[in-house]
Amino acid sequence: DVKVTQSSRYLVKRTGEKVFLECVQDMDHENMFWYRQDPGLGLRLIYFSYDVKMKEKGDIPEGYSVSREKKERFSLILESASTNQTSMYLCASTLGASYEQYFGPGTRLTVT
Amino acid sequence: EDQVTQSPEALRLQEGESSSLNCSYTVSGLRGLFWYRQDPGKGPEFLFTLYSAGEEKEKERLKATLTKKESFLHITAPKPEDSATYLCAVQRHTGANSKLTFGKGITLSVRP
Repeated sequence: DVKVTQSSRYLVKRTGEKVFLECVQDMDHENMFWYRQDPGLGLRLIYFSYDVKMKEKGDIPEGYSVSREKKERFSLILESASTNQTSMYLCASTLGASYEQYFGPGTRLTVT
Repeated sequence: EDQVTQSPEALRLQEGESSSLNCSYTVSGLRGLFWYRQDPGKGPEFLFTLYSAGEEKEKERLKATLTKKESFLHITAPKPEDSATYLCAVQRHTGANSKLTFGKGITLSVRP
């Protein structure tokens, strides 16, 4: 079974802090994704990566950056957290196009 | 721009009362349509992928179908454990791009 793990289930940070969310997959998947999920807005893509050190902006990249130094690990960085970044953050991975994405359990981030 | 609209937003059923969830989509060249189930506070769990109009897939009480404009998730004789949010997503034919566009989901509640 594919396993996607995220570093924290719940996280509380203060406005202005730098926040790191980490995601690890164990199936040698090429593609990895970061989404945020908000009530009434659904899942929105922040960034994705096709390969190590490769990254592409999704639909809402503002205020975020990413890092993929190893194939199995994809990190989401909030350079200076703001209250409007309070959300559920979901990581996913897939073997490639046409294949299903496997999701992690999510990190519920609260910025106060 | 790809668009996915799911209806109704919420559905309440009595145990055993069959129904269908709708996913209407607009995409320039559909590569695949994906259905996911999401339980509260958890990441989405993959259910089905459909690739071409007329295709059908089944899993236990769930059956997914696809036309050129929409997909249905039919639930036959639902049980309370089928209560969850069901997400639909589309993927476009663009090379190696495995990006998905998600609908906002349908929250299903099944009463015993």
